Amino acid sequence: SQQGEEDPQALSIQEGENATMNCSYKTSINNLQWYRQNSGRGLVHLILIRSNEREKHSGRLRVTLDTSKKSSSLLITASRAADTASYFCATDAKGQNFVFGPGTRLSVLP
Amino acid sequence: EAGVAQSPRYKIIEKRQSVAFWCNPISGHATLYWYQQILGQGPKLLIQFQNNGVVDDSQLPKDRFSAERLKGVDSTLKIQPAKLEDSAVYLCASSLSGGAVGEQFFGPGTRLTVL
Repeated sequence: SQQGEEDPQALSIQEGENATMNCSYKTSINNLQWYRQNSGRGLVHLILIRSNEREKHSGRLRVTLDTSKKSSSLLITASRAADTASYFCATDAKGQNFVFGPGTRLSVLP
Repeated sequence: EAGVAQSPRYKIIEKRQSVAFWCNPISGHATLYWYQQILGQGPKLLIQFQNNGVVDDSQLPKDRFSAERLKGVDSTLKIQPAKLEDSAVYLCASSLSGGAVGEQFFGPGTRLTVL
């Protein structure tokens, strides 16, 4: 598996529901970042969480990091149609280059 | 604040031809990245510059790809000769500083089609 790998690969939910995406990685990290990509706005940074942090919030986004399990999760609450996009985790790992996972494709249905 | 600029937005070439992409990062950003994103995959880092020096080019296919960042500002990425598998979106990103990688700001990308 890759350094950063998202799960699930694809997710469909109804507007108003919560969406949870997970990211697993293999080696120790300096930080982990989540990005969103859609056709309208390209690739956009969402949240950066450092290795010594466990949880961060930004608006409707909540990111957790469990370094013992080498995993992170991104929760989007009260989803909207505009949240439809691909979501990528990216890791800055010690001694390695910056690596993006293959992404989770989220569809929010009206 | 102006974002990361890239040109051209689209390019179609025949295999074995050459192509060049240009990137202008956000003013004041010391670090510049070039990524290759194949359809359905995450971006793959090709090269990272800190000012005008190369920090990481371990995944750059150096037999056909080259990149430079003159004067620590604009950058160009060149492919010569192109292969069919080079068809992808080439993304440029910049960040304030290197070290532990921080928030990156991405340009709109150049979509390359090699026929």
